[in-house]
Amino acid sequence: DVKVTQSSRYLVKRTGEKVFLECVQDMDHENMFWYRQDPGLGLRLIYFSYDVKMKEKGDIPEGYSVSREKKERFSLILESASTNQTSMYLCATPGEGTDQPQHFGDGTRLSIL
Amino acid sequence: RKEVEQDPGPFNVPEGATVAFNCTYSNSASQSFFWYRQDCRKEPKLLMSVYSSGNEDGRFTAQLNRASQYISLLIRDSKLSDSATYLCVVNIGGYSTLTFGKGTMLLVSP
Repeated sequence: DVKVTQSSRYLVKRTGEKVFLECVQDMDHENMFWYRQDPGLGLRLIYFSYDVKMKEKGDIPEGYSVSREKKERFSLILESASTNQTSMYLCATPGEGTDQPQHFGDGTRLSIL
Repeated sequence: RKEVEQDPGPFNVPEGATVAFNCTYSNSASQSFFWYRQDCRKEPKLLMSVYSSGNEDGRFTAQLNRASQYISLLIRDSKLSDSATYLCVVNIGGYSTLTFGKGTMLLVSP
């Protein structure tokens, strides 16, 4: 079974802080994804990475950056947190092949005060 | 037009009922299809993949109609534990980037 681990289940930060959300997968997968999920808006793709040091913008990259220094770890960075970034953040990695589903971490519920 | 559309519900059904959810997608190049289940305040979890010939997993049956760009999920003999939000998910290929519907909420009552 694929294991995707997110560093925190719940996080509270202040406006303007730099926030790091960490995600680790144990399956040596190349692709990793960061989503946010908000009521009424569903899951939206922020960034994804298809290899170490490679990244691609998703649908809503503004205000975020990512880091992929090692294959198993994909970090999401809020450069200067704002209240509209309060959300549930989900990391995911798919199996190999385009017909494979994605496996999600438990999610991080982030509140920006 | 939204890429993946679902009726948000909620669908309120009694235990033992049969319920069906529908989903339409706009990109005809979509390659693979899934239903996910998401419990309140939890991460989405894969319920089942959807194959062109249709497929069944216990009480759950998924169907795909590529011509109409339509996916369905049928749940028979509903259980209280089936109460959740069901997400229709489509992969248009390339890096396994998925497009998610906003989900259909199911509430099964005693």
